[in-house]
Amino acid sequence: KAGVTQTPRYLIKTRGQQVTLSCSPISGHRSVSWYQQTPGQGLQFLFEYFSETQRNKGNFPGRFSGRQFSNSRSEMNVSTLELGDSALYLCASSFTENTEAFFGQGTRLTVV
Amino acid sequence: DQQVKQNSPSLSVQEGRISILNCDYTNSMFDYFLWYKKYPAEGPTFLISISSIKDKNEDGRFTVFLNKSAKHLSLHIVPSQPGDSAVYFCAARSRGGSNYKLTFGKGTLLTVNP
Repeated sequence: KAGVTQTPRYLIKTRGQQVTLSCSPISGHRSVSWYQQTPGQGLQFLFEYFSETQRNKGNFPGRFSGRQFSNSRSEMNVSTLELGDSALYLCASSFTENTEAFFGQGTRLTVV
Repeated sequence: DQQVKQNSPSLSVQEGRISILNCDYTNSMFDYFLWYKKYPAEGPTFLISISSIKDKNEDGRFTVFLNKSAKHLSLHIVPSQPGDSAVYFCAARSRGGSNYKLTFGKGTLLTVNP
């Protein structure tokens, strides 16, 4: 069974640009969550989607957005990039709320 | 306000001995707890979980203990192996509804010395 797949693995962008990250969940998983990991803050919850609907949102500015498609694949978008957005962005998928979340390998975003 | 706390940033143990990683939480609505292991530049790997209706869950060398009254959980690794060296994250999920949000601690770096 394939795991959670995130693309691209690495990305370098310039301040002010926008970026789109992609996540394909484990087959059969309908929930997809996104997290940001930085050295100082650890893993911070961004948002969660289930059946194309955003159900939970973390404390991030509106520049961070996402969506989920009918096949459960999800994308995350960050507009007007800032240096502080440099981080490892992780996607996780779950089957139900009572089961564990499985993470992808992440996308390392560097903003210069 | 940090709802999940891992107060030890690092821990060093000898191969073959027991590793004990601790985690405290403040939110009484948390009812499902997970431990993840993470290597640099990779995503977290799920290790073991425990529901609040239990006080212990075991999987091979890994055992998680939950003390609800103290709002404390711990991960025991016995025996520790050099390959266990990684950052370990404690995570918690709230009960009720369709809340899939995981709240993570900041992690403990475990080093197992040969």
